[in-house]
Amino acid sequence: DQQVKQNSPSLSVQEGRISILNCDYTNSMFDYFLWYKKYPAEGPTFLISISSIKDKNEDGRFTVFLNKSAKHLSLHIVPSQPGDSAVYFCAAANTGNQFYFGTGTSLTVIP
Amino acid sequence: GAGVSQSPSNKVTEKGKDVELRCDPISGHTALYWYRQSLGQGLEFLIYFQGNSAPDKSGLPSDRFSAERTGGSVSTLTIQRTQQEDSAVYLCASSQRAGGLGELFFGEGSRLTVL
Repeated sequence: DQQVKQNSPSLSVQEGRISILNCDYTNSMFDYFLWYKKYPAEGPTFLISISSIKDKNEDGRFTVFLNKSAKHLSLHIVPSQPGDSAVYFCAAANTGNQFYFGTGTSLTVIP
Repeated sequence: GAGVSQSPSNKVTEKGKDVELRCDPISGHTALYWYRQSLGQGLEFLIYFQGNSAPDKSGLPSDRFSAERTGGSVSTLTIQRTQQEDSAVYLCASSQRAGGLGELFFGEGSRLTVL
């Protein structure tokens, strides 16, 4: 039973444009959400997080939006750069417990 | 070291053999997680240790899988009588605290291939 879902397995975006990666979750008890980036043959690396008391968190070119009523979060990358090409995983947790990950979205930024 | 260290980085074994995968978490991190990523799949939770509490083993796919964490630090994931479907990248992660408000730091993974 997948509690965190990323319905788009892949996304292609032109360099300089906005990349929007989406994630849905089913467990209303989740109160902390994260995005990870993964290059081939490397472990995932932390990108940005948001707690459930916020609806937006921004860090440079990366912004995460949280819509609790829709149980939906999204990651916006603007402007997109070729080096952003990677697999992006969203994750959710209920404080004190394990993290649940989505299946990932492979982003390709076309120069 | 500064990061999460996993060994071996690659392991090829024959079906039916036992394997052990090791994880050295970041010093001082109380939470340790094992995930695996099969080809074309997402990150599948396996097991989670938090301090001296009983581990959350709810993600282990069968009783052939077990893990321990000695002294609250190093962890070993053991797969007995390996099967071809066990082939995956096994990722270890640690965190200063469990769940919310603590990001996970991942190792580079151990790639297991069962022939």
